[in-house]
Amino acid sequence: TQLLEQSPQFLSIQEGENLTVYCNSSSVFSSLQWYRQEPGEGPVLLVTVVTGGEVKKLKRLTFQFGDARKDSSLHITAAQPGDTGLYLCAVSNSNSGYALNFGKGTSLLVTP
Amino acid sequence: KAGVTQTPRYLIKTRGQQVTLSCSPISGHRSVSWYQQTPGQGLQFLFEYFSETQRNKGNFPGRFSGRQFSNSRSEMNVSTLELGDSALYLCASSPLAGRGSGELFFGEGSRLTVL
Repeated sequence: TQLLEQSPQFLSIQEGENLTVYCNSSSVFSSLQWYRQEPGEGPVLLVTVVTGGEVKKLKRLTFQFGDARKDSSLHITAAQPGDTGLYLCAVSNSNSGYALNFGKGTSLLVTP
Repeated sequence: KAGVTQTPRYLIKTRGQQVTLSCSPISGHRSVSWYQQTPGQGLQFLFEYFSETQRNKGNFPGRFSGRQFSNSRSEMNVSTLELGDSALYLCASSPLAGRGSGELFFGEGSRLTVL
């Protein structure tokens, strides 16, 4: 059973459109991270959310942590081709150290 | 500041062989973790090392092993390779000693193909 369910699995949109991707679970988390992975590269951290209901903005990207800390969403405004990539959510699976549990990701393609 | 370096970037092996992958973390980072990425299963945690000690281990068979050296560099080994071991193996480092809410810095990965 996948701890983190991400949807949609694939998304293909045109430049300028808005989109939202989701990361859901039945478990409660103390924090949740979003990473973006571009083809041929490793994932890069975008944001960490730690407080229920928290909203963080990173330029055109808006991240929200659910009130119950079980889910999160990522909204992209006016998508650009440079936003193309695999968006992954992750939570810590350990009380110490780094053992992240990743969702399977949303693969986003933004065409000009 | 140099990033996480993984070698080799690409390699092809045959079933039954073994493979060793290397990872050099960012200077000053003491935590090194390894992940396997496949199209079907996504990113899955293998193990994490801190100060030469394995601190966390994922749900992988004993054929997968790793170690960390005193300079924080790490290696992982897969013995008796199976076709299903074909994957991108990612190494990540972190400067922090605590819980996993800090940032992981990933390398570009080693792509292993098992024939």
